[in-house]
Amino acid sequence: QKEVEQNSGPLSVPEGAIASLNCTYSDRGSQSFFWYRQYSGKSPELIMFIYSNGDKEDGRFTAQLNKASQYVSLLIRDSQPSDSATYLCAVNPGSGYALNFGKGTSLLVTP
Amino acid sequence: DGGITQSPKYLFRKEGQNVTLSCEQNLNHDAMYWYRQDPGQGLRLIYYSQIVNDFQKGDIAEGYSVSREKKESFPLTVTSAQKNPTAFYLCASITSGGGGSNQPQHFGDGTRLSIL
Repeated sequence: QKEVEQNSGPLSVPEGAIASLNCTYSDRGSQSFFWYRQYSGKSPELIMFIYSNGDKEDGRFTAQLNKASQYVSLLIRDSQPSDSATYLCAVNPGSGYALNFGKGTSLLVTP
Repeated sequence: DGGITQSPKYLFRKEGQNVTLSCEQNLNHDAMYWYRQDPGQGLRLIYYSQIVNDFQKGDIAEGYSVSREKKESFPLTVTSAQKNPTAFYLCASITSGGGGSNQPQHFGDGTRLSIL
């Protein structure tokens, strides 16, 4: 079974702080990594994706990938109450394009 | 606008009844997926299809069936054999060509199924 692990949280951060969300995966052959945000009762929406080791920045979001440690993270700078949601980590194992999802981390940004 | 349309938004099933959830996409995507999400849980793969007239079982296919007669459509039937069908069902699609394995999946708005 190919596992994707996330801390379920809730992770609580004050408004304006940096939120750090982490994800580990078991399949060393995994090729691409995705972060989705899911508001309560809604479908997931893509936030970031990363394929290569290192950092990838998009606005307030930074995805970090370390394939040797099988670890991917998402940093949210200047966190806003509207960022309060569940963040799902998804990993493409490289075959069939079916993503493996973690159970998600609940983030709460307090004013 | 291009996108994935799921219907209905809410669905109720009676005991012993089969129900069908619709998923239509106009993104010209080759591959389509059905996931199930239970409260506080991640997404679990039910079925997927990479090409018309072909589909594969995911991790939790028992009690479900699908068809892929058209590229745009991938309906999911929840049969009476699925004893615990209450969940949020999500359809997704992705292009397969040209490095498709690195492309993100796009999701519909979901169908919430409950038992009457």
